[in-house]
Amino acid sequence: AQSVAQPEDQVNVAEGNPLTVKCTYSVSGNPYLFWYVQYPNRGLQFLLKYITGDNLVKGSYGFEAEFNKSQTSFHLKKPSALVSDSALYFCAVRDGNTGGFKTIFGAGTRLFVKA
Amino acid sequence: DTAVSQTPKYLVTQMGNDKSIKCEQNLGHDTMYWYKQDSKKFLKIMFSYNNKELIINETVPNRFSPKSPDKAHLNLHINSLELGDSAVYFCASSQGQGSSEQFFGPGTRLTVL
Repeated sequence: AQSVAQPEDQVNVAEGNPLTVKCTYSVSGNPYLFWYVQYPNRGLQFLLKYITGDNLVKGSYGFEAEFNKSQTSFHLKKPSALVSDSALYFCAVRDGNTGGFKTIFGAGTRLFVKA
Repeated sequence: DTAVSQTPKYLVTQMGNDKSIKCEQNLGHDTMYWYKQDSKKFLKIMFSYNNKELIINETVPNRFSPKSPDKAHLNLHINSLELGDSAVYFCASSQGQGSSEQFFGPGTRLTVL
C-alpha cells in the first residue's frame, strides 16, 4: 500500500534562510512523487515532481526537491525563504507500477516564514 | 481563464438535504477527481474518472454520486447530507495517469447545519 509521511506539522524559518520540508514515502513499485502548495482559501498548486532521472528536481518559485531512494525521501528545499512562501505544503505519491490513478497525499506541513 | 472551476464556492445547508457541486475543466484533460479536505486539512481522494469512466471509488458512502457527462465535467451529488459531510471539496484534473500533475479547482466549502 502507498503511504506518505510528513513528520513536521509546522516549520518555522526566518526570511532569507534556507528551508526544508520533509517527506518520506512508501510504495511497492516505482514512486512518482509530487509537491503541492496550498495558500489560504485556495486550491492546491503543483510545485514540482520526480518521475525518473536526475535525483534533484527544480520547480516553481525557486523550490527544489531531492529524491533519495535509499532513504525513501523526497524533501522540499529552497535556498532562501520568502515571507510569501508561507503556506501549507503537501507531498504526494503515486505508484508508477499500478496504473497510478490514485494519489496519496501527506498530512501537510505548514510553513511560516518570519520577516 | 480559469483552468478548473467549481460552483458554488460556498454551500450552507441543513441536514438531510440533497445538494450538488459542479466542476468543469478547460484544459482538455481526460482524468478528473474529487477530493475531500477536512478541518485538519487532511486531503483524501473520493473519486477518479478517466474518459468519463469511474476508475476510483475510495470507500465513499453511496450517498455521494459522481456524474461525468463529458470529459470536461465531473459533478458531485450528495444525498441526505450529514454533519460529518462538512468539509472543503476539491475537484482536480490531469492528463492521463501516473506521472501527470493535477490541477485543482478553488474548492467548495460545504457546511451542514
